[in-house]
Formats: sequence, structure tokens, C-alpha cells
Amino acid sequence: SAVISQKPSRDICQRGTSLTIQCQVDSQVTMMFWYRQQPGQSLTLIATANQGSEATYESGFVIDKFPISRPNLTFSTLTVSNMSPEDSSIYLCSVALGQANTDTQYFGPGTRLTVL
Amino acid sequence: RKEVEQDPGPFNVPEGATVAFNCTYSNSASQSFFWYRQDCRKEPKLLMSVYSSGNEDGRFTAQLNRASQYISLLIRDSKLSDSATYLCVVTRGTYKYIFGTGTRLKVLA
Repeated sequence: SAVISQKPSRDICQRGTSLTIQCQVDSQVTMMFWYRQQPGQSLTLIATANQGSEATYESGFVIDKFPISRPNLTFSTLTVSNMSPEDSSIYLCSVALGQANTDTQYFGPGTRLTVL
Repeated sequence: RKEVEQDPGPFNVPEGATVAFNCTYSNSASQSFFWYRQDCRKEPKLLMSVYSSGNEDGRFTAQLNRASQYISLLIRDSKLSDSATYLCVVTRGTYKYIFGTGTRLKVLA
């Protein structure tokens, strides 16, 4: 498995501001993922982040709103830009370990964001 | 129709009971299958992978039925600590993980 940490663990932000969430892994991984989990709902994939290439965004998510950095194999950031109350959610990073198509995802502890 | 569907529950069962959850998936090309557990206000944690031959880990048994496109999770001798939301996860393509909305289990003393 992997040990994954996220910072901040929670934040309360004003509408219109931006927040950058950091994700650190204790080992080098190729694939990192960012998810959103809104209250009472399951996880929705925002984007996949490979080191050295542009992140791949899922339908409904765009780079201008959720820019992602992946400067090395152990670290990634997700920025939630120009926030609105609808962005209030838990944001989780995860990594995939194992063989493609059979590997397992391990999640960070999440960042609980509240936008006022 | 959602690609992965689960009964949201809650399933309220007494300690010691056996409980089973099903999860159906719509894409026959789905390749890998997992059960995750998520405690309140925590991140999901892998419970077990699900193999075609079925697999067992202590009190937990997972089964895959490709013909009917569902996976199941059986928990025997339920403990209070089993209370959580159980997420069904299906992969489609390379690193494409689809999460179900979860089934809530509450084990009662």
C-alpha cells in the first residue's frame, strides 16, 4: 500500500477565492487521481495526473476551474479556483498501485472544503 | 441508468448476523472489481478485490457473476465495527474507476 497525506485537512473559504490542496505520497507512483465527494454522494473523478504531462479531465471538469500540477512522482496539487458554495465538498487524492487494469487505488485522508 | 448501482440501505442488522450486499454494473467490458469501506468522514479503504473465482478474507466473502453483471459482498458474524458504507468499484479501461454510491451498514448491539 501507500501512505498518502493531504494538506490542508479542512478549510473554510470565501466565495471567489482559490484554494490549493497538496497531496504527498511516500513512494514514487505514475498515476495520481483527484476525486470529489459531495455530501452523501459517492466519489466523482475530477482528473488523472501523470508526471510530466497535462492532467486528463473528466467530463464536467475543466482545467481553468481545477488546475493540477504534478511536478514529480510523489507530489501533486489541485487548485479549486474562483470558488462558489457549490464547490463545498471533500477532495481526495489517490494513487494506483499494481498492474494496469488490475491495480488498486489508495486514498489520502481528504480535504474538507466549505465555501461561504 | 448508472454504470454501477448499489442499494443505498441502510441495512440495520444485529450483531452476529450475516448480511449480503449486491452491486450491479452495466458495462460488460468492466475488468476489475473491488469493495471499499468508508467510515463516516474518512477516506475509502480497500476491503477486498473481487475475482472471478470468488475470494474470502476472514468473515468477508466476495463473488463476481459476469454473466449477470453483479458482484456481491457477504459479511458473516457481523461486528459493531463493521458499521460503515461499503462502496462497490468497477474499472473500465485503463485506470478508469467507477464508484457506486455505497451501501450503508449499521450493526446494532
